[in-house]
Amino acid sequence: EPEVTQTPSHQVTQMGQEVILRCVPISNHLYFYWYRQILGQKVEFLVSFYNNEISEKSEIFDDQFSVERPDGSNFTLKIRSTKLEDSAMYFCASSSTRDGGYTFGSGTRLTVV
Amino acid sequence: GIQVEQSPPDLILQEGANSTLRCNFSDSVNNLQWFHQNPWGQLINLFYIPSGTKQNGRLSATTVATERYSLLYISSSQTTDSGVYFCAVGGGTSGSRLTFGEGTQLTVNP
Repeated sequence: EPEVTQTPSHQVTQMGQEVILRCVPISNHLYFYWYRQILGQKVEFLVSFYNNEISEKSEIFDDQFSVERPDGSNFTLKIRSTKLEDSAMYFCASSSTRDGGYTFGSGTRLTVV
Repeated sequence: GIQVEQSPPDLILQEGANSTLRCNFSDSVNNLQWFHQNPWGQLINLFYIPSGTKQNGRLSATTVATERYSLLYISSSQTTDSGVYFCAVGGGTSGSRLTFGEGTQLTVNP
């Protein structure tokens, strides 16, 4: 069964550093997403991406966040200057249609120290 | 935005018991999914079910879109069913984003 692949699975970074989280969505999917889950809380939407541009973003997705699809397979989330409160599990997801079923990756656990 | 409420928040079962988890949502949706979050944090897709009924082994789900609720049934529960079950909805006024409920923490004891 096709999978969404995320790397790395764990990342520890110092406050103020930039991090890039990487995702390879399912190859024939057109819609891409990032979500995050702070420990013990529910999963929250960050951003959706379609046709090489952001289609929706939440209030969490401020200027320190950016997304990119640098080639035909990768989808990245960059956090420019990490804060302690950015510590969370970050999930990438993709879907073939706007309202179709999402497939989530296994997540990247980001710890900011 | 759309509101999603899941009940119960916590559920403890003996192995072999059956259970029903509920998800209520506040607006019409085009997407509804049930996920199981395992102890490693992975979100496993159980069902894509914006309407109707589906079954997969010991699990089944029903969504009554007109009444804005969905049910997840787990029969003959096993210890490996333990974890958090999330309902997530999308479409309608929420656009394509999924809004997650708070989840139901299920513990199945041997």
